[in-house]
Amino acid sequence: DIQMTQSPSSLSAFVGDRVTITCRASQTITRYLNWYQQKPGKAPKLLIYAASSLQSGVPSRFSGSASGTDFTLTISSLQPEDFATYYCQQSYSTPRTFGQGTKVEIK
Amino acid sequence: QLQLQESGPGLVKPSEPLSLTCSVSGGSISSYYWSWIRQPPGKGLEWIGYMSYSGSTTYNPSLKSRVTMSVDTSTNQFSLRLSSVTAADTAVYYCARETGQRHYYDSRGYFYYMDVWGKGTTVTVSS
Repeated sequence: DIQMTQSPSSLSAFVGDRVTITCRASQTITRYLNWYQQKPGKAPKLLIYAASSLQSGVPSRFSGSASGTDFTLTISSLQPEDFATYYCQQSYSTPRTFGQGTKVEIK
Repeated sequence: QLQLQESGPGLVKPSEPLSLTCSVSGGSISSYYWSWIRQPPGKGLEWIGYMSYSGSTTYNPSLKSRVTMSVDTSTNQFSLRLSSVTAADTAVYYCARETGQRHYYDSRGYFYYMDVWGKGTTVTVSS
C-alpha cells in the first residue's frame, strides 16, 4: 500500500493567515493526489484533484502543488469557514489511501 | 444534482454481518465507480473498496476477506456487506462516487477522485 504522511497533524492560525499543509507519498504517485476538507459531523468535501486542479465551486484561495513525492495544500488567506480537518488521498493505485489528517484550528 | 444517501442499522452485534445501502438520486448509477469509506470515532478515513456499475469490485486487502459489494442498477442503489464484525468496525460509513478526468499526462489516462459523498451513517458494534 502507498503510505501518505501529512504534516503537521494540527496547526493554529489567525483569520487572514497563509496556511500550508504538506503530504508526502511513500512512492511516486506523479499527480494522482487529491485534497479533501472535513468539518465536524460532516462528510469530506473535495477541494483539489490531480494535485493542483481546483474542484468546481471551491474558492480560489485554495491551491495545490506537487514536487516529486511531496504535495502542498495552501490556503492563501484563512477564512473562518476554513477551520476544519484536511486530508490528502492518493488515487495512483488501490487500495486508495489517505493521510492521517491536519486539523486547522483558530488561534 | 447527484445525491447519495446511506441507510442501514445503526447497531450491529459482534460476529454478525453489517449491511448498508447507498441510494443514488439525481443521476444514474450506470457509470463511474461507487465507493465505501469509513471513519472510526475520532480517527481518519479508511477506504473499504469500490465497484463499477457493471459489478466489478476492488476491495482493500485489509478487509477483503470480509467485504462484499453489490450494485442494483434497476433501483440505483449499491450495497456493502461486512461479515463477522467486531468493535473495531464501529465507524461512520460513507458512500461516494469516484469519477475520472481524462488526461494525456501519462499512459494511465484518467485522474480519479471522489467528488460526491453521502452524509454518512454511524454504525456501532456492540452487544
